[in-house]
Amino acid sequence: DAGITQSPRHKVTETGTPVTLRCHQTENHRYMYWYRQDPGHGLRLIHYSYGVKDTDKGEVSDGYSVSRSKTEDFLLTLESATSSQTSVYFCATTGGEAGANVLTFGAGSRLTVL
Amino acid sequence: GENVEQHPSTLSVQEGDSAVIKCTYSDSASNYFPWYKQELGKRPQLIIDIRSNVGEKKDQRIAVTLNKTAKHFSLHITETQPEDSAVYFCAATGSARQLTFGSGTQLTVLP
Repeated sequence: DAGITQSPRHKVTETGTPVTLRCHQTENHRYMYWYRQDPGHGLRLIHYSYGVKDTDKGEVSDGYSVSRSKTEDFLLTLESATSSQTSVYFCATTGGEAGANVLTFGAGSRLTVL
Repeated sequence: GENVEQHPSTLSVQEGDSAVIKCTYSDSASNYFPWYKQELGKRPQLIIDIRSNVGEKKDQRIAVTLNKTAKHFSLHITETQPEDSAVYFCAATGSARQLTFGSGTQLTVLP
């Protein structure tokens, strides 16, 4: 699946601690995204990137920051985790043979904030 | 921005029957409408998509219809099988490659 690797796959942390989730892709896709998935809300866009150092906010960006210093890596940071950020986080990319609009997802990272 | 509403939130059908999931969208500029299937504990995966210049698209037992005037689109699964049990998400996008997803439908196919 577009060679997308997310790490860590599971993390438990305490309120107030910083957390960074990493997404690594091997397909040289220009666009990368971070979504969170919560019951009853589907998938909601947090931030996306349209190139190295080019990022923009999505629907639920408060409390999150991102960075993209290389084409292949897109980092999502929670500066001070809160219980409301307990969720499953999916990284995704678009591009390549699948088509310009087709999202291909990573396996997800389950984050629990106690 | 775009707003996508999806119904029903849960759907149970007997094996062999058809299932229909409906979505509406708000942004008339949206021109791409994919459907994703997510099995328990897995990542969402694209099963079919349609663009705004097409009214219907079929792929074996799966079909999607689009009514641009009414701003709604639907997923139709015929001859359902147990392996069709999953959560299905619709989505819509206009510009900037930002997909907006519906809230999902849990489909259960009863043997």
